[in-house]
Amino acid sequence: SYELTQPPSVSVSPGQTASITCSGDNLGGKYACWYQQKPGQHPVLVIYQDTKRPSGIPERFSGSNSGNTATLTISGTQAMDEADYYCQTWDSSTGVFGGGTKLTVL
Amino acid sequence: QITLKESGPTLVKPTQTLTLTCTFSGFSLSTSAVGMGWIRQPPGKALEWLALIYWNDDKRYSPSLKSRLTITKDASKNQVVLTVTNMDPVDTATYYCAHTMGSISWSFDYWGQGTLVTVPS
Repeated sequence: SYELTQPPSVSVSPGQTASITCSGDNLGGKYACWYQQKPGQHPVLVIYQDTKRPSGIPERFSGSNSGNTATLTISGTQAMDEADYYCQTWDSSTGVFGGGTKLTVL
Repeated sequence: QITLKESGPTLVKPTQTLTLTCTFSGFSLSTSAVGMGWIRQPPGKALEWLALIYWNDDKRYSPSLKSRLTITKDASKNQVVLTVTNMDPVDTATYYCAHTMGSISWSFDYWGQGTLVTVPS
């Protein structure tokens, strides 16, 4: 079965750029999306179709996808961005989530 | 305004069948290129994609759970139902339903609040 691999944790200082990676076989040949989940809340879609932001998502969130890796980038990271982030893609018409990355804003 | 809400039992005994209902508003599951999915999350663990049903009644299931899952819809009642057979303590999780569309490549853009289902050991 298809697997997506994320680093368990990423740390960033306020105002700096955070990058969270998601790796999978030929992931660049598929669409990837990203979700943000804060404690006790449901996930929120922050990036879809590799690079697109849903309405209401701040411009500091951006995405890319090439080769075997999709990347979520948060520019000018704020304390409110501290959360778990999950990537997701499709393989053989079924969805797959990555294992999640805890972003800590120190 | 799209809203979704999951309902069902909070406690299920091992070997029993879990039936969850997602009641939604703000869209129609009869509209082309619309879908509804189920996702679960064990306490402190990652999200797991379970199943998806499309406007045309096409269905997709997680390969690892396919034999135990059934997803159905009642568009007239604005409901989607997920059944999970032979429940086990490892199935303890928060179960979410979520809205999706082809225009966003079937990402989940609206989610329910989730419902915690516990299977005691």
